[in-house]
Amino acid sequence: DAGITQSPRHKVTETGTPVTLRCHQTENHRYMYWYRQDPGHGLRLIHYSYGVKDTDKGEVSDGYSVSRSKTEDFLLTLESATSSQTSVYFCAIRPGQITDTQYFGPGTRLTVL
Amino acid sequence: EDKVVQSPLSLVVHEGDTVTLNCSYEVTNFRSLLWYKQEKKAPTFLFMLTSSGIEKKSGRLSSILDKKELSSILNITATQTGDSAIYLCAVVGGSNYKLTFGKGTLLTVNP
Repeated sequence: DAGITQSPRHKVTETGTPVTLRCHQTENHRYMYWYRQDPGHGLRLIHYSYGVKDTDKGEVSDGYSVSRSKTEDFLLTLESATSSQTSVYFCAIRPGQITDTQYFGPGTRLTVL
Repeated sequence: EDKVVQSPLSLVVHEGDTVTLNCSYEVTNFRSLLWYKQEKKAPTFLFMLTSSGIEKKSGRLSSILDKKELSSILNITATQTGDSAIYLCAVVGGSNYKLTFGKGTLLTVNP
């Protein structure tokens, strides 16, 4: 599992509430990514980070923000959750510049009612 | 915009059959193509193919990259029920190391 944990693993929330998902890694990898996975769309990149305080947007970043104040933690925040953000969220790490391979965390299933 | 198309979207076979999954791509400054297997959980890495490594094999699974045709195939021989999963193809292009995924192929292997 590449030393990646995600919390919470499941969450049900209501429209309009803020939600923060946490990705934690134990191996000091520089590169971290947040994806969402939806039926019919596959995995889509939300945001990524290439170091502490260094982040950038992916293809579906609207409505999401991220923060990385420590190497081991990458937080994804939904400022005001909407039903369209109901999804499974995966965090991933890339272990260094010599490989393109990313390894995924166990995922968080988020339901917005 | 980078694009990855997988076919077929779903496939049902019997144990022992051989299957071929397809992945075609359009990407700026191709770097690599990756295959993942996803059961009822997170994707797990299978292979990475690059210009310097266009063929990979592990047990009953093998994959080939065709840079001229901008495509790749994933072969599974002597399929087992444990091979039932979604198989994801992704490409890396440009300098930002971002993965662009296809929608996946759902493989069902019946006993």
